[in-house]
Amino acid sequence: DVKVTQSSRYLVKRTGEKVFLECVQDMDHENMFWYRQDPGLGLRLIYFSYDVKMKEKGDIPEGYSVSREKKERFSLILESASTNQTSMYLCASSLFWGRENGYTFGSGTRLTVV
Amino acid sequence: KNEVEQSPQNLTAQEGEFITINCSYSVGISALHWLQQHPGGGIVSLFMLSSGKKKHGRLIATINIQEKHSSLHITASHPRDSAVYICAVTSGTASKLTFGTGTRLQVTL
Repeated sequence: DVKVTQSSRYLVKRTGEKVFLECVQDMDHENMFWYRQDPGLGLRLIYFSYDVKMKEKGDIPEGYSVSREKKERFSLILESASTNQTSMYLCASSLFWGRENGYTFGSGTRLTVV
Repeated sequence: KNEVEQSPQNLTAQEGEFITINCSYSVGISALHWLQQHPGGGIVSLFMLSSGKKKHGRLIATINIQEKHSSLHITASHPRDSAVYICAVTSGTASKLTFGTGTRLQVTL
């Protein structure tokens, strides 16, 4: 089974801190995604990557950046955390389009910015 | 209007009942996904389908491409089925998912 592992389940950070959320997958998937989930808004795409060092903005990239230096690892970076970034963050991975394109999600990181 | 609409938003059922959750979408798609999210946050992929019908245990997913509509059925529901069920689509050559806002299901004894 493919596993997508997020480094923390719960995280509390202060306003202005730089925050790193790490995601690792173990099945050689090309695509990796970062979503945030908020009540009433559902899941929204922040950034995704379809290859090492490649990244594309999703629907809500403002205030975030990403890094993909190795195929298995996709990091989400909050350069200066703000209270409106308090949310559940979910990482996912999938094979490149055109192949069996099921998704595997991580368990999520619930981030609170105080 | 959202590209992916689900109904109902909330659903309460008694154990043993047959459950249907509906999903309508307004864009051309390459695949439709049904996902399950339990309290605590982790999401599990239940089905990915682009035509017809798929079955896994007590879960059945159908899709009608012409009508842009999909249904998720749960037969003989059980309290452990209580979760949020999310419909999502991928379209074109992109692998990005566009999500519905989910259906919260509560199955009681």
